[in-house]
Amino acid sequence: QVQLQESGPGLVKPSQTLSLTCAVSGGSLSSGGYPWSWIRQSPGKGLEWIGYIYYSGSAYYNPSLRSRVSMSVDTSRNQFSLRLSSITAADAAVYYCARFHSGFNRYFDYWGQGTLVTVSS
Amino acid sequence: EIVMTQSPGTLSVSPGERGTLSCRASQSVGSNLAWYQQKPGQAPRLLIYGASTRATGVPVRFNGTGSGTEFTLTISSLQSEDIALYYCQQSNDWPTFGGGTKVEI
Repeated sequence: QVQLQESGPGLVKPSQTLSLTCAVSGGSLSSGGYPWSWIRQSPGKGLEWIGYIYYSGSAYYNPSLRSRVSMSVDTSRNQFSLRLSSITAADAAVYYCARFHSGFNRYFDYWGQGTLVTVSS
Repeated sequence: EIVMTQSPGTLSVSPGERGTLSCRASQSVGSNLAWYQQKPGQAPRLLIYGASTRATGVPVRFNGTGSGTEFTLTISSLQSEDIALYYCQQSNDWPTFGGGTKVEI
C-alpha cells in the first residue's frame, strides 16, 4: 500500500518561497511510471492541481501557477518536493501530495494527509 | 481550462434514501471523470474513476454514470457514514475539480 506524507513549514511570510516535501513509502517513485502531484485546497478556490512530476524529473504545472512553481524528485530518498515562490495570502491552503494514475483513465489514487500552510508576517 | 460545475451545493437526504449528485464539464472530457469523497480533516478519497468504475473497497451503493459533459454520482441508499463533501475531477486536459457537493442527513 503506497503511503505519502507531506512535511514542511506551516507558516510562511509573504513574498517568501514555500518549500514542501512528500515522502513516499510502500512503493517506489519509479514504479508504474506514474507522475507525482501536488494539489492544494483553500476555502476560496477549492481543490486546485498545482502540478506533477515524473521519476525522470519531467514536470508539468498548472498554467496559472507555472511562473512561480518548481518541483523536483530525490530518488535516493524516495521523495519529491514543491517550491512555490512569491507567496501571498492567496497561497494559504492545505497542500496535498498525491499519486496521479495516468493511463487510459487518469485520477489521483493515493493521497497524503495534507499539511496546512498559513501565510503571515 | 475545463471548468467543472457541481450541483446541488448541498444535498439533504434521509438515511436509506437515494442521493443524486451532478457534475457538468464546460467541454467534453469523454469518460475521464473521477469522483472523490472528503470527510472533515481528511484527504479526498477516490470513489469512482473512468466515470463509472468503482475504486477498490468502495461500496456498491456508489454508482457513477455519464460521459462527455454530463456526469452523475448516485448513492443508492444513503448511510450515516456517507456524510461528506463530494468532488468530481476531470483529466482530459490538465486536472481540474468541481466545487463540491455537501451531502448531509
